[in-house]
Amino acid sequence: AQSVTQLDSQVPVFEEAPVELRCNYSSSVSVYLFWYVQYPNQGLQLLLKYLSGSTLVKGINGFEAEFNKSQTSFHLRKPSVHISDTAEYFCAATSKAAGNKLTFGGGTRVLVKP
Amino acid sequence: ETGVTQSPTHLIKTRGQQVTLRCSSQSGHNTVSWYQQALGQGPQFIFQYYREEENGRGNFPPRFSGLQFPNYSSELNVNALELDDSALYLCASSRDGTDTQYFGPGTRLTVL
Repeated sequence: AQSVTQLDSQVPVFEEAPVELRCNYSSSVSVYLFWYVQYPNQGLQLLLKYLSGSTLVKGINGFEAEFNKSQTSFHLRKPSVHISDTAEYFCAATSKAAGNKLTFGGGTRVLVKP
Repeated sequence: ETGVTQSPTHLIKTRGQQVTLRCSSQSGHNTVSWYQQALGQGPQFIFQYYREEENGRGNFPPRFSGLQFPNYSSELNVNALELDDSALYLCASSRDGTDTQYFGPGTRLTVL
């Protein structure tokens, strides 16, 4: 069964500094990978996804992620964060074999400080 | 294009009661998945409905059940509520069960 590990539960970062959120998954066979953001008291919003093709994926709000098959990683990056990026970020994985049911990591809480 | 909607927003129940949560899928989507998100954790897959049939189930007991209607909206029913059922319940829709799922705002259930 697929498992997803987010290595940092909390990441404090200053405004306009870069941030990287780490995500590792367990199975590489035809894996699809996603990053979602959750603002307080809201549902999940899709930031970006990797289905196939280019390993560098660009998403909304200036975020990007890189699929690394050899390291089974899908880390999320943003070169310069804003106060409004304060939120919880979830990495998720699925595959056709899993019937496209998402397996989520535990989440990383990003706190952007002025 | 209308996104995924869920009702109610919040719900308070007592242990042993039953609850029904509702979800309307995004326009053009025929697959609905339900997830439970306990406080401070990532969402956990409950089950998925595709064209009115259950299409996979996570590690949840039978007192969690669901329905999908011809218009692809869905219900999640939980019987004999337990304190641990307190969580945010998220509904997500997709087209033909393929790759990308789009989430609704969730229903916050509190069991006292």
